[in-house]
Amino acid sequence: DAEITQSPRHKITETGRQVTLACHQTWNHNNMFWYRQDLGHGLRLIHYSYGVQDTNKGEVSDGYSVSRSNTEDLPLTLESAASSQTSVYFCASSESLSLTPSYNEQFFGPGTRLTVL
Amino acid sequence: AQKITQTQPGMFVQEKEAVTLDCTYDTSDPSYGLFWYKQPSSGEMIFLIYQGSYDQQNATEGRYSLNFQKARKSANLVISASQLGDSAMYFCAMRPDSGGYQKVTFGTGTKLQVIP
Repeated sequence: DAEITQSPRHKITETGRQVTLACHQTWNHNNMFWYRQDLGHGLRLIHYSYGVQDTNKGEVSDGYSVSRSNTEDLPLTLESAASSQTSVYFCASSESLSLTPSYNEQFFGPGTRLTVL
Repeated sequence: AQKITQTQPGMFVQEKEAVTLDCTYDTSDPSYGLFWYKQPSSGEMIFLIYQGSYDQQNATEGRYSLNFQKARKSANLVISASQLGDSAMYFCAMRPDSGGYQKVTFGTGTKLQVIP
């Protein structure tokens, strides 16, 4: 069965360290997304990609970067981790929007809980 | 810009009763999709139901229905015959349909607790 996985599921790191969160999907979806979830804010979009070599900033992209070298993976890098980046991170993927707007639900990974001390 | 508002941070419902979770939205896009997701305590995001802005009928999926009132810009989720397993966070979300634009905006969520 197709799926979307994230690793690690839990991570504790120190302020200033570089951290990379992995996201891998086997749906063969072109679109991939990274969100962070914080109490009182719901899910907020960090970065997204519509295909290989395409990346775009979301609403809370400062301090984060992504790269898309293949269809399956969209790793999220925190260049210099800060305590404000302690959060739960979700990766998601979806099909490309067809000419007729329709379903296009996003499929979510299980999440990564990141703690920055 | 899109905005989703969920004004109920928490709600209680008696088992077997129906419950409505409120969601209002704001967008300038003429065509869009509305979603509800469930997040149980285990943390995963589970898709529940979808409503297209031009759909003539309200969406239904089993015990879930979406009460879509376009003029009021509301997309309330109705859960009928609540079960203990419905206790979770519920997120309303929307996505514009314009050109390959896939960005989804989420509300802050409503925590539903089902009481036996």
